[in-house]
Amino acid sequence: QQQVKQSPQSLIVQKGGISIINCAYENTAFDYFPWYQQFPGKGPALLIAIRPDVSEKKEGRFTISFNKSAKQFSLHIMDSQPGDSATYFCAASEPGGSYIPTFGRGTSLIVHP
Amino acid sequence: ETGVTQSPTHLIKTRGQQVTLRCSSQSGHNTVSWYQQALGQGPQFIFQYYREEENGRGNFPPRFSGLQFPNYSSELNVNALELDDSALYLCASRPDRASTEAFFGQGTRLTVV
Repeated sequence: QQQVKQSPQSLIVQKGGISIINCAYENTAFDYFPWYQQFPGKGPALLIAIRPDVSEKKEGRFTISFNKSAKQFSLHIMDSQPGDSATYFCAASEPGGSYIPTFGRGTSLIVHP
Repeated sequence: ETGVTQSPTHLIKTRGQQVTLRCSSQSGHNTVSWYQQALGQGPQFIFQYYREEENGRGNFPPRFSGLQFPNYSSELNVNALELDDSALYLCASRPDRASTEAFFGQGTRLTVV
């Protein structure tokens, strides 16, 4: 049973475009929703995270949009750059689970110059 | 402040053998989790240690076992290796089990032949 569903599996955008990755979850006990960025040969690194008490969080070119009623959240990368080319994972965790993240399957993003 | 370090970086083992992977947690972090990341997939939670005690376990068989030492470093042991155990094994540390952000190491790439 996949608790966090992520789409698309891969994404190609042009430099300067907007990259959008979507995730949906089932467990209503989740209350922390991070996005991780992973470059080849590296471990995932936290990019940005949100709690369900806000609908949007922005950090630089990265924005999380959160829809609690639909149990969906998304990552928007504005003005995408070739250096953003990486694999992105959404995740979700809950206090009852000691905040151990459950990951989506990942989205491979390629930004063409 | 040093980050999470894992050793070895790469490893090739034969089916049926046993393997030990090591992780040094980030300074001041008492909680360590291990993940298995198959090619093209998101990290799957194996287990977590908090102050030397197992504090959560994912859906992995008992031949996956671990330890956490008094300095909070950790080991992952896998017995009777199978071909499907080939994956990137990630270690992540957190300041405390109630902390939300996980800091990942670069991983150990295990190949079972």
